Amino acid sequence: DQQVKQNSPSLSVQEGRISILNCDYTNSMFDYFLWYKKYPAEGPTFLISISSIKDKNEDGRFTVFLNKSAKHLSLHIVPSQPGDSAVYFCAASGETSGSRLTFGEGTQLTVNP
Amino acid sequence: KAGVTQTPRYLIKTRGQQVTLSCSPISGHRSVSWYQQTPGQGLQFLFEYFSETQRNKGNFPGRFSGRQFSNSRSEMNVSTLELGDSALYLCASSGGTSYNEQFFGPGTRLTVL
Repeated sequence: DQQVKQNSPSLSVQEGRISILNCDYTNSMFDYFLWYKKYPAEGPTFLISISSIKDKNEDGRFTVFLNKSAKHLSLHIVPSQPGDSAVYFCAASGETSGSRLTFGEGTQLTVNP
Repeated sequence: KAGVTQTPRYLIKTRGQQVTLSCSPISGHRSVSWYQQTPGQGLQFLFEYFSETQRNKGNFPGRFSGRQFSNSRSEMNVSTLELGDSALYLCASSGGTSYNEQFFGPGTRLTVL
């Protein structure tokens, strides 16, 4: 039972354009969501998070949007840079899950110069 | 502030052996979680330790175990290794509530031959 899904295994964008990565979840108990970036042979790096009381959170070039009714979140990167090329994971947790994170499968983002 | 450290970074074992991996969390963090990353299953939660107690457990067989010491350092043990245990094992530390970001170490790459 995949409770967090990232339906796009890969995404390719041009440098300077917007990258939009999507994530869907099924568990209504999830109320905290995070995005991580991962390079090969390294651990995931935390990017940005959002709690269910908000529908948007911004940090520099990164913005996360949450649509609770649709159980959908997205990560926008503007403008995209070649150094953003990595695998992006969305993750979710809830009050009843403690520190346990449930991850999506990841989306490989490639930003072309 | 020093990040999460994991040792060793790489390990090669044969089937039937056992292995112990170590994780030192960020100073002040009391929660340590372990995850397994494989190409087919993505990032899967193994267990979480908080103040030397296992607080949460994923769906892994009893061959996978862990512990946490009074200084919050954690170890993970896998006994009777199987080929399918080959994976990247990631440790993450956090403040311990559901709404804390988790910070990951670089991982230990385990290969079982």
